[in-house]
Amino acid sequence: AQRVTQPEKLLSVFKGAPVELKCNYSYSGSPELFWYVQYSRQRLQLLLRHISRESIKGFTADLNKGETSFHLKKPFAQEEDSAMYYCALSGGITGGGNKLTFGTGTQLKVEL
Amino acid sequence: NAGVTQTPKFRILKIGQSMTLQCTQDMNHNYMYWYRQDPGMGLKLIYYSVGAGITDKGEVPNGYNVSRSTTEDFPLRLELAAPSQTSVYFCASSVQPNQPQHFGDGTRLSIL
Repeated sequence: AQRVTQPEKLLSVFKGAPVELKCNYSYSGSPELFWYVQYSRQRLQLLLRHISRESIKGFTADLNKGETSFHLKKPFAQEEDSAMYYCALSGGITGGGNKLTFGTGTQLKVEL
Repeated sequence: NAGVTQTPKFRILKIGQSMTLQCTQDMNHNYMYWYRQDPGMGLKLIYYSVGAGITDKGEVPNGYNVSRSTTEDFPLRLELAAPSQTSVYFCASSVQPNQPQHFGDGTRLSIL
């Protein structure tokens, strides 16, 4: 069974401080992992996916298969980063990939 | 493009009433999904569809029905509303199952 764990419900950091949002997953095959973000009064939207290995809005995430983790990082937090962040896993086309399994989300609050 | 559009945005129902949550997308995506999000929880998949005429159950399908007569529309039906169905409902679509999902704004449903 697929499972995604985000251990922190709330993460509060000061502006300019580094940010790390934790995500661990359980999946027997090769997962596809995503980070989604929901800003206040906006819809849920894709932030980044591991397969593209890109940096979006200064955020990066590296898939660590040994630790089964996909933590989201940013070196310097900005006020506009305050939002709800969800880690999600797909089994891919060959692995029951018709659905995403979401974590419970982490609320990031960047304080001035 | 509007993307994924959900109506209504808010609704209050009495126990035992029925209603249909509407979802439409204009991106010609084959894959569509319905999720529910309870307070403090992640998104849980109710039903999904891989194309017009094809639907399948997700994690929490009890108490709901869906249909997919066109590529654009994927309505979710509650036949006998129960307090346990109080939640925020999100519709999403994707071009392929392992591709990012595009979400609607959500429908906040309260059953009293």
